[in-house]
Amino acid sequence: AQTVTQSQPEMSVQEAETVTLSCTYDTSENNYYLFWYKQPPSRQMILVIRQEAYKQQNATENRFSVNFQKAAKSFSLKISDSQLGDTAMYFCAFTGSGTYKYIFGTGTRLKVLA
Amino acid sequence: SQTIHQWPATLVQPVGSPLSLECTVEGTSNPNLYWYRQAAGRGLQLLFYSVGIGQISSEVPQNLSASRPQDRQFILSSKKLLLSDSGFYLCAWSPGGNTEAFFGQGTRLTVV
Repeated sequence: AQTVTQSQPEMSVQEAETVTLSCTYDTSENNYYLFWYKQPPSRQMILVIRQEAYKQQNATENRFSVNFQKAAKSFSLKISDSQLGDTAMYFCAFTGSGTYKYIFGTGTRLKVLA
Repeated sequence: SQTIHQWPATLVQPVGSPLSLECTVEGTSNPNLYWYRQAAGRGLQLLFYSVGIGQISSEVPQNLSASRPQDRQFILSSKKLLLSDSGFYLCAWSPGGNTEAFFGQGTRLTVV
């Protein structure tokens, strides 16, 4: 069975600094997709970034980038120039080509400090 | 464009009462539909998913059930709520093909 693990329940970072959130996953599939979602206090789930496993190049979206290590089954999120609005719960998620399901980690609560 | 509607936003129900949460998607056809429950420290737990009308897959044995009476409608139900059913429930849809899932705004259910 596929699993997603986020080992950092809470993190904090100073405004304008860089922070990295960790995520590891386990799967026997070779073709899959990984996502990072943001859940601000409003609790609306917002997609931050996605990565296709067959792409070696790490995905980037403005201040957000990932470090995808397929062999290590690691998918970390780096937030550069952190802003107060980045304060949220961040979830790592996985879906495989052979499944309809999205499997989520337990989340990392990130607080950006002024 | 596609939108997802989930209601109600909040709900307080007594133990033993029935439950019906509704989710509808607009602007697409034959979406994959999902119900998740979010509990503190446990992330998002997949409860049910559906890949077509009348097709429901259950992930967690529990006091809840789901139905898909129409292509873009997904309903989460219970005949008798338990205190342990309290939580934040999220509906989501995806077009399939391993794209991302899109979420509704959630329902906070408190069973008293």
